[in-house]
Amino acid sequence: NAGVTQTPKFQVLKTGQSMTLQCAQDMNHEYMSWYRQDPGMGLRLIHYSVGAGITDQGEVPNGYNVSRSTTEDFPLRLLSAAPSQTSVYFCASSCHTSGSETQYFGPGTRLLVL
Amino acid sequence: AQSVTQLGSHVSVSEGALVLLRCNYSSSVPPYLFWYVQYPNQGLQLLLKYTTGATLVKGINGFEAEFKKSETSFHLTKPSAHMSDAAEYFCAVTLSPVRPTSGTYKYIFGTGTRLKVLA
Repeated sequence: NAGVTQTPKFQVLKTGQSMTLQCAQDMNHEYMSWYRQDPGMGLRLIHYSVGAGITDQGEVPNGYNVSRSTTEDFPLRLLSAAPSQTSVYFCASSCHTSGSETQYFGPGTRLLVL
Repeated sequence: AQSVTQLGSHVSVSEGALVLLRCNYSSSVPPYLFWYVQYPNQGLQLLLKYTTGATLVKGINGFEAEFKKSETSFHLTKPSAHMSDAAEYFCAVTLSPVRPTSGTYKYIFGTGTRLKVLA
């Protein structure tokens, strides 16, 4: 298993540009989520999904869109990038049968918005 | 609503000394509690977790944590610090339902504690 994969690893955008951060998992996990990590603020939940076709907002959803058309993929879209979205983004997945609630994290995408 | 508080954004210990990283949580229902570790330029990986049963939980690399309901705490400890333990540690909480429906199930992370181990 590749686990949770994220692409790209690093991206530079100009203000106003759009892009999609890709996330895929091959563990057949129902639950997937996106976090952003900023110094001194820990991980903040952007959006999450409990299954294909179901998404919900986390703590900081503004400026981001998600969709979950398949179990495997959970892309995060920045519609119009802003410097405040400069951050490291992590995707995670987990399987919610009893005793298997551990989240598995991807390696992260480092985004710089100029 | 759930929340997690980690006391101390930076902790320094000498090599061989006790490591104690503090985590307090707030939850209206029995929580599931986690400790994750993040090494530089990497994603997070699970150290240990409490779901049900024994309140003293042992994890990888000699770490353990004790769930204390009366104190709403889940502090992480290691008897003897090693240089390789230097990393950032995150406490997280979530609710315990199986087959959650949207809006009822999400993980909340603390702000992290950066552990420095001094030679």
